[in-house]
Amino acid sequence: QVQLVESGGGVVQPGRSLRLSCAASGFIFSNYAIHWVRQAPGKGLEWVADMRHDETNKYYADSVKGRFTISRDNSQNTVYLQMNSLTVEDTAVYYCARDASPYMIRGVRWFDPWGQGILVTVSS
Amino acid sequence: QSVLTQPPSVSAAPGQKVTISCSGSSSNIGGNYVSWYQQLPGTAPKPLIYDNDKRPSGIPDRFSGSKSGTSGTLAITGLQTGDEADYYCATWDSSLSGVVFGGGTKLTVL
Repeated sequence: QVQLVESGGGVVQPGRSLRLSCAASGFIFSNYAIHWVRQAPGKGLEWVADMRHDETNKYYADSVKGRFTISRDNSQNTVYLQMNSLTVEDTAVYYCARDASPYMIRGVRWFDPWGQGILVTVSS
Repeated sequence: QSVLTQPPSVSAAPGQKVTISCSGSSSNIGGNYVSWYQQLPGTAPKPLIYDNDKRPSGIPDRFSGSKSGTSGTLAITGLQTGDEADYYCATWDSSLSGVVFGGGTKLTVL
C-alpha cells in the first residue's frame, strides 16, 4: 500500500543538527512532491518545506529558511530534511506527506498519505 | 497567527450539523484549491476533502466542502461522537510560495 515512514528523530541540544528521513513505498516516488509538516506540542499544523518530483524545485517556510535543507534521492525513494542551528522552537512532531497529485511543480493539491510522524525535541 | 483563520472550537449535539469556516485572501484560498484534514488525538492528519469539495475514497458523504471567494467551509452532518477531533484547512499561498494551514478547529460532540 501507499506508505511513508519517517525516521531520524530524537533529542538534540540547541544549535546542533539533525537529519530526518522519509521513506516511501507503494507508488512511483519520482512522480510526486513530498512535503514536511510539523506540529509543536499542543499546537496546530505548520508546513515546513517541500521538494518537487523533478529534484530541482523546492520551497521553504520563512521560519526554517537558511537553516533547513530538503533533498531527495529518487533512486532510494527517500526524502531528507537536514535541520541545522536547531532551537527549542523547532521541537515538534515532524510528518512527511505526499501531494496526492503527480507532477506538481508549484502549488499543492492535497496531502495523502501522511507518515506516522517522528518527534524532534530540542533541549539542553 | 495563522494565515488562514478558523474558529478555535465548535460544538453540536449528536445527529446535528456543524460547519467550520476557513477564511483567507486572494493570494491563497482565492486562487488555489482548499483541502481539509481531520486529526484524532495522537494520530497523523487524515484527508477529508480535496479540491475544495471532493471526498477521497472511503470518506462518508456526511462530510462536505465548499469554497466561495476567499473562504472555504467544511460541513459535517449526522454528528457522531467519533467525529470529535481537530480539523484543519490548507491551501497554497502564491505570495508566500508555500503551503498555509488554518489554526485548527476543535470539534466537540456534546
